[in-house]
Amino acid sequence: SQKIEQNSEALNIQEGKTATLTCNYTNYSPAYLQWYRQDPGRGPVFLLLIRENEKEKRKERLKVTFDTTLKQSLFHITASQPADSATYLCALPPGAGSYQLTFGKGTKLSVIP
Amino acid sequence: NAGVMQNPRHLVRRRGQEARLRCSPMKGHSHVYWYRQLPEEGLKFMVYLQKENIIDESGMPKERFSAEFPKEGPSILRIQQVVRGDSAAYFCASSPTGTANTGELFFGEGSRLTVL
Repeated sequence: SQKIEQNSEALNIQEGKTATLTCNYTNYSPAYLQWYRQDPGRGPVFLLLIRENEKEKRKERLKVTFDTTLKQSLFHITASQPADSATYLCALPPGAGSYQLTFGKGTKLSVIP
Repeated sequence: NAGVMQNPRHLVRRRGQEARLRCSPMKGHSHVYWYRQLPEEGLKFMVYLQKENIIDESGMPKERFSAEFPKEGPSILRIQQVVRGDSAAYFCASSPTGTANTGELFFGEGSRLTVL
């Protein structure tokens, strides 16, 4: 079955630096990959979707890359701010015969002033 | 346009009682998903419903758990005879189309169940 891994449970960075989060997957060739943000006690909020034929996607200070050969997506936040502190989740679309988005455990990002 | 509404936000039950969690999807959304999140764990899919139909319940425990999405009214996740292991945050999400397309999900704020 498909497996999704976010290789850092927690990441601490200094304000103003670029945060890079990693999402790896196996046993799957997804048509797209999504990233969500979750604040403590809140529901996840959709951030970006990148399709398999897109190498890179940008939205304001966010950038996502998608390498189907490495089976990896990188999520970057440039000029990070304390308000960016949250847990970031990557999600894979359903496999054949399934309807569920599969989420990684998430990476908790803390931006230190 | 109101987002996905879940209630109650917090629910405390004693072992053996029943828990009912409600979810009203965003206006115009006919696809509803329930996920469970245990402390320090990721979101785990439970069930996918469309109006009056359960489409995929592969993530639902075989016993004590049930879900419905009636023609009128909210979707309900029902847990009978709760046990301490059911303590978790339960999130509902909706989408205008199924996840076979772009699949962006709109999540509610969750219902946090505590079983004493």
